[in-house]
Amino acid sequence: DGGITQSPKYLFRKEGQNVTLSCEQNLNHDAMYWYRQDPGQGLRLIYYSQIVNDFQKGDIAEGYSVSREKKESFPLTVTSAQKNPTAFYLCASSTVTNPVGYGYTFGSGTRLTVV
Amino acid sequence: AQKITQTQPGMFVQEKEAVTLDCTYDTSDPSYGLFWYKQPSSGEMIFLIYQGSYDQQNATEGRYSLNFQKARKSANLVISASQLGDSAMYFCAMREGIGNTGFQKLVFGTGTRLLVSP
Repeated sequence: DGGITQSPKYLFRKEGQNVTLSCEQNLNHDAMYWYRQDPGQGLRLIYYSQIVNDFQKGDIAEGYSVSREKKESFPLTVTSAQKNPTAFYLCASSTVTNPVGYGYTFGSGTRLTVV
Repeated sequence: AQKITQTQPGMFVQEKEAVTLDCTYDTSDPSYGLFWYKQPSSGEMIFLIYQGSYDQQNATEGRYSLNFQKARKSANLVISASQLGDSAMYFCAMREGIGNTGFQKLVFGTGTRLLVSP
């Protein structure tokens, strides 16, 4: 079955560490996204990528970095510069071929906690 | 400026009753799309229903319907015959004009937590 796989499901980070969240899709979607979810704030866009080797900052990109070397993969690195990284992170993808009405397909999320 | 507003942080409904979750939006783009997603406690986001700005009829998908009032810029989700499994967070989202690349970016509201009681 096609879908998006995020790993790990739970991640613990020590102060000052960089951590990388994995996102892989087998839907042949061109566009991929990373959102951060905090209680009471909905989903906020961190980074997005329309095609391989290209990505743009979203609304809250500071302290995060991404890469898009393969169509299927869009990993997110939470750097030590991100002062409050504890949150739920969702990866999503979308088709650019006849996209009307289809929105996003989401992964099951990674819950990151700073210890 | 807030583009998607969900004013109900929490809603309660009894099993088998209908419930309406509110969503208002703000855009100057004549071409846009509105989505509703369900997020159970497990965390994944499940697509429920879509309404395009040019669609003449309100969208329906099984027990879900979207009460689209374009002039009022509202896109309320109606769940009929609520079930215990409907207890979850519900998010309204908007996509502005897609353009010729097919790329779309969604903006989400803050969500409404629905609790269905027996």
